[in-house]
Amino acid sequence: SAVISQKPSRDICQRGTSLTIQCQVDSQVTMMFWYRQQPGQSLTLIATANQGSEATYESGFVIDKFPISRPNLTFSTLTVSNMSPEDSSIYLCSAAGTSGRSSYNEQFFGPGTRLTVL
Amino acid sequence: DQQVKQNSPSLSVQEGRISILNCDYTNSMFDYFLWYKKYPAEGPTFLISISSIKDKNEDGRFTVFLNKSAKHLSLHIVPSQPGDSAVYFCAALGGSQGNLIFGKGTKLSVKP
Repeated sequence: SAVISQKPSRDICQRGTSLTIQCQVDSQVTMMFWYRQQPGQSLTLIATANQGSEATYESGFVIDKFPISRPNLTFSTLTVSNMSPEDSSIYLCSAAGTSGRSSYNEQFFGPGTRLTVL
Repeated sequence: DQQVKQNSPSLSVQEGRISILNCDYTNSMFDYFLWYKKYPAEGPTFLISISSIKDKNEDGRFTVFLNKSAKHLSLHIVPSQPGDSAVYFCAALGGSQGNLIFGKGTKLSVKP
């Protein structure tokens, strides 16, 4: 399995500011995703981070609000821009298609970033 | 509308007994399902999966059953242990980007 780390693990931010979350995988992976888990809700996909090209966003999420980078096969960032209290959530990155595994269906998750916006 | 539903937000079971966590889905095109376990302050951890060509998959104390006609799957844990206490998410592989679609989770408490 892949080991995934995220930084920061948590942050408290002021309204109107931006926060960039980093996701590092210990091996090259085919797919990287960013999810959000709001209180009492399921994990919801924000976007797929594509290596070397623009991310693919799900309905309800836009690049201006959640810019994503993926410069290589092991690293991605998610920025939460112009934050409001409604952005308070846990943000998780995940990876799939790790080398050596036969199944590309199993995604491995980072520990999450707990964001609170005041 | 939720495509993957876990209708029980919580479940409490005595140690040694069987835990049964249920999950329903609405999209008959889903063909691969996964269960994840999540402890507080950690990311979800993959537990077990099942392809739609099977109706059962077993891994140690964990067994997943799939009833395609009912669009229902369940996770059985037997015997349950206190360390199994966590939130369990059911997920289907079927998003437009090959992503997972998750249920809201069921919090399992196994009491000693």
